[in-house]
Amino acid sequence: ELKVEQNPLFLSMQEGKNYTIYCNYSTTSDRLYWYRQDPGKSLESLFVLLSNGAVKQEGRLMASLDTKARLSTLHITAAVHDLSATYFCAVDRGGNQFYFGTGTSLTVIP
Amino acid sequence: GAGVSQSPSNKVTEKGKDVELRCDPISGHTALYWYRQSLGQGLEFLIYFQGNSAPDKSGLPSDRFSAERTGGSVSTLTIQRTQQEDSAVYLCASSPGRTYGNTIYFGEGSWLTVV
Repeated sequence: ELKVEQNPLFLSMQEGKNYTIYCNYSTTSDRLYWYRQDPGKSLESLFVLLSNGAVKQEGRLMASLDTKARLSTLHITAAVHDLSATYFCAVDRGGNQFYFGTGTSLTVIP
Repeated sequence: GAGVSQSPSNKVTEKGKDVELRCDPISGHTALYWYRQSLGQGLEFLIYFQGNSAPDKSGLPSDRFSAERTGGSVSTLTIQRTQQEDSAVYLCASSPGRTYGNTIYFGEGSWLTVV
């Protein structure tokens, strides 16, 4: 079964700082998705990465995919409070489900 | 509606009772998923429907859980004889199909508490 691991699980960072969330997965896939979940809310799609070397950016967030290393990163630049949320990565092997990581709970403090 | 709609949004039930959770996917989406999210946990796959094909039920945790999808649209997840460990958020999601690269769109979830 495909395993998806995220780290860190919890991240507290100061406004204005940079940080990276890592998503490792155990078997070959070239489809990787990032989602954001605010407390008490559902998951919102952030990025879709569909090939080795894919890079997507939206505002202060940038996601990349290295399929050979089975690794995706979500980089946060100059964090602001509005980015506080839980971030999930998910891997699609083309079957009938997306495999989700355990999530990274991000808190941005002033 | 514009998004995936789920009802009820919150449900408190007594242990041993049956519950039904409803999902109305985005219009035109042929793929429908149910996931479960326990407090502070990731997402656990439950079941997948694609068009008129037989559903993938491989994630259902026990025979107390069942789901159906009528007319290729609305889906109902039924939990019989609920147990406290069933307390979780049940998330429904849909997508246009299993075309390469389609993301899935989630509803707001049904928060189930079994007391």
